[in-house]
Amino acid sequence: GQNIDQPTEMTATEGAIVQINCTYQTSGFNGLFWYQQHAGEAPTFLSYNVLDGLEEKGRFSSFLSRSKGYSYLLLKELQMKDSASYLCAVFKAAGNKLTFGGGTRVLVKP
Amino acid sequence: GAVVSQHPSRVICKSGTSVKIECRSLDFQATTMFWYRQFPKQSLMLMATSNEGSKATYEQGVEKDKFLINHASLTLSTLTVTSAHPEDSSFYICSARVRDRTYEQYFGPGTRLTVT
Repeated sequence: GQNIDQPTEMTATEGAIVQINCTYQTSGFNGLFWYQQHAGEAPTFLSYNVLDGLEEKGRFSSFLSRSKGYSYLLLKELQMKDSASYLCAVFKAAGNKLTFGGGTRVLVKP
Repeated sequence: GAVVSQHPSRVICKSGTSVKIECRSLDFQATTMFWYRQFPKQSLMLMATSNEGSKATYEQGVEKDKFLINHASLTLSTLTVTSAHPEDSSFYICSARVRDRTYEQYFGPGTRLTVT
């Protein structure tokens, strides 16, 4: 089976930084996705990490440690529109499947 | 590019009836499409994998006779919820995998199903 854990909720102030952690235990790991999902909408792609290390893309960065089964999504210079759920998902090439964590609801306050 | 559409966006049906949801890749070919279900404040749960021209592969616990999936072409997959019950009310989301690109998946906007 697979266990993918991330915090349920986080609150941060506009302009601040928030780090969302994701830990996973799985076999056949090929990579890890992060998605943003606003309420009632479909997830939108943020990042995909295959190799260890940090990948930066504008205000959002994602980190992966395969040996530790750990990833985080870093959101900098938070804006009100960043209030959303953030989903980490493990990708297994066998079956091309994505398995999602429970999602982290981030609330950005003024 | 890489746009996935779903139709309808919202549907209300009576208990016992069937509802069909369409998922289309608009500007690319998708040999594989995935169907997810999401209950309020929960994450996406994979229901089944739909491969063009072959039978769908269902996840454990998903009734294949209740959730009929057809992937008749490289741009269209349909999910039919048969004999719907109120507990089937959920947000149904499809995603399409870009042909020949293993990890690229794009999500549709979702369909909100309410069974009364």
